[in-house]
Amino acid sequence: DAGITQSPRYKITETGRQVTLMCHQTWSHSYMFWYRQDLGHGLRLIYYSAAADITDKGEVPDGYVVSRSKTENFPLTLESATRSQTSVYFCASSVQTGPNQPQHFGDGTRLSIL
Amino acid sequence: GQNIDQPTEMTATEGAIVQINCTYQTSGFNGLFWYQQHAGEAPTFLSYNVLDGLEEKGRFSSFLSRSKGYSYLLLKELQMKDSASYLCAVKGGATNKLIFGTGTLLAVQP
Repeated sequence: DAGITQSPRYKITETGRQVTLMCHQTWSHSYMFWYRQDLGHGLRLIYYSAAADITDKGEVPDGYVVSRSKTENFPLTLESATRSQTSVYFCASSVQTGPNQPQHFGDGTRLSIL
Repeated sequence: GQNIDQPTEMTATEGAIVQINCTYQTSGFNGLFWYQQHAGEAPTFLSYNVLDGLEEKGRFSSFLSRSKGYSYLLLKELQMKDSASYLCAVKGGATNKLIFGTGTLLAVQP
């Protein structure tokens, strides 16, 4: 039971580069989410998706792009990385946003931008 | 707007009981979640409350008062492995997405 997997686990890149973080889930969950976690801010929602080809902005979407061509994949792209995007990124999924459905998280990607 | 407040850090002794509080202000409310996050790991789901009262799950219990915008997580018979961050998250408002507090870092001492 693979669940939800993120890759890479660690990434170092330079400012101005494009970088894509991958998220794959095997549960056929309809909803998927991208968060970033920074000291003092907790988890903040970047983008989410209700189903394939449906995406919407969260709290901090600037500088990020997402796509969802298949239900199981939800990649997050930083088009031109900046140092302020150094963070730990978590992908999550849930069956639906019905009130009692928890989100299940991947192990995270630790991204450093030099 | 939405706001969630939790204490930043707490310390407790192995075998004891600890209560972690969470207060929230949201324009709508569709439930409150507690997650546990060990250092360097993913958050994992602990509990969910949508009605007032106490929900018990083994050593962990969670309480909700909607009229006061208040919840707490109660951990009994503390073990060293309970040292972690505990995240309070509210589902509500116009978008029905989860809004997380900054988390409470609990240190369990022998």
